[in-house]
Amino acid sequence: GAGVSQSPSNKVTEKGKDVELRCDPISGHTALYWYRQSLGQGLEFLIYFQGNSAPDKSGLPSDRFSAERTGGSVSTLTIQRTQQEDSAVYLCASSWDRAGNQPQHFGDGTRLSIL
Amino acid sequence: GNSVTQMEGPVTLSEEAFLTINCTYTATGYPSLFWYVQYPGEGLQLLLKATKADDKGSNKGFEATYRKETTSFHLEKGSVQVSDSAVYFCALSDQSNAGKSTFGDGTTLTVKP
Repeated sequence: GAGVSQSPSNKVTEKGKDVELRCDPISGHTALYWYRQSLGQGLEFLIYFQGNSAPDKSGLPSDRFSAERTGGSVSTLTIQRTQQEDSAVYLCASSWDRAGNQPQHFGDGTRLSIL
Repeated sequence: GNSVTQMEGPVTLSEEAFLTINCTYTATGYPSLFWYVQYPGEGLQLLLKATKADDKGSNKGFEATYRKETTSFHLEKGSVQVSDSAVYFCALSDQSNAGKSTFGDGTTLTVKP
């Protein structure tokens, strides 16, 4: 079956531009996460959606970052006025379990490069 | 809040050596524990998991036992192969925190022939 799909797979843009990254989770999964992974680094939590609850935005690094999840399915991560330090791989993951007993399924990520 | 602490890397071993990657956690609730693996150029994928104390997760020759008394979930393999070279992440998910996951920083393993 289909896994977590992210688009685009690669994005190169100029500093100061806005970018939108898309995540299509596995159908039926209620939980959706966004992470950032810089070269050679671990996972940096950004935001967590669980069903219809208010999202946990505690990991967003600045107010230039925002995310929404429409209809409990597709999510978009938006970075406004991009900076060079935003260059990283942005990973999306989904899970169907509200209790946390089931693993996350990760997409292949979007590699973002800010010139 | 919740946290996961992993053995710092990188770890370099010879083929057929014994592997241990330490992982300890702090959680307010009663979490489920996971090991994820990221092979070079690939996405993260689940390696194994355990959902309650004394459970042992196992997959591809790797094992980890959920130790509540020591709040640990160490990853072990008796004989590593070159193909095990990857980054390994320990993680927990906590029902008391709406199932939110917390990841360790990752440990890079390189196995030399």
